[in-house]
Amino acid sequence: NAGVTQTPKFQVLKTGQSMTLQCAQDMNHNSMYWYRQDPGMGLRLIYYSASEGTTDKGEVPNGYNVSRLNKREFSLRLESAAPSQTSVYFCASSDWGGNQPQHFGDGTRLSIL
Amino acid sequence: DAKTTQPNSMESNEEEPVHLPCNHSTISGTDYIHWYRQLPSQGPEYVIHGLTSNVNNRMASLAIAEDRKSSTLILHRATLRDAAVYYCILRLLPQGGSEKLVFGKGTKLTVNP
Repeated sequence: NAGVTQTPKFQVLKTGQSMTLQCAQDMNHNSMYWYRQDPGMGLRLIYYSASEGTTDKGEVPNGYNVSRLNKREFSLRLESAAPSQTSVYFCASSDWGGNQPQHFGDGTRLSIL
Repeated sequence: DAKTTQPNSMESNEEEPVHLPCNHSTISGTDYIHWYRQLPSQGPEYVIHGLTSNVNNRMASLAIAEDRKSSTLILHRATLRDAAVYYCILRLLPQGGSEKLVFGKGTKLTVNP
């Protein structure tokens, strides 16, 4: 029952460093998402992928890039990390359409000094 | 996306019922009402959703007002494991593609032993 797996679980970066957060799902879902959650706040959508080969911007895409490597994997890249990107990052997946629930990973806690 | 309003926090005692309210006065006819919860240090977890009729599942019940401007998530017997932040979210019936969740700050539920 792996569901959505995110790696790493924790990471500390220095300002200007680059980093790729990995996400994989084993539920054969078409859609995948990346969110960030700042302290005391709800989640905000960064990017999403409706299906393999497509990606679209969410609410807060600046400073990030994504790759939908295949149906299972969706990665999030920070090219030049900034302290404002310190956050907890969640990946999610869902079946396509019909109000299907989203299934979330346990998050990556990222600190940028 | 239409807006939802929830109390910032609520308290309950273990094994008692909990009624978590949500106001959504600007809801449109095609908006589904979804509830997710987030336990400490975990990703959000789908709880339940509905459109017009009351809904029950193994986790909770959802009571929707006749005018659909409010709804209530009901936990029939709260346990310590139910202590979490509960999010009420409106989602449009999708015309196609993936569905994006818009999270507010939610209601932090404390369950007292």
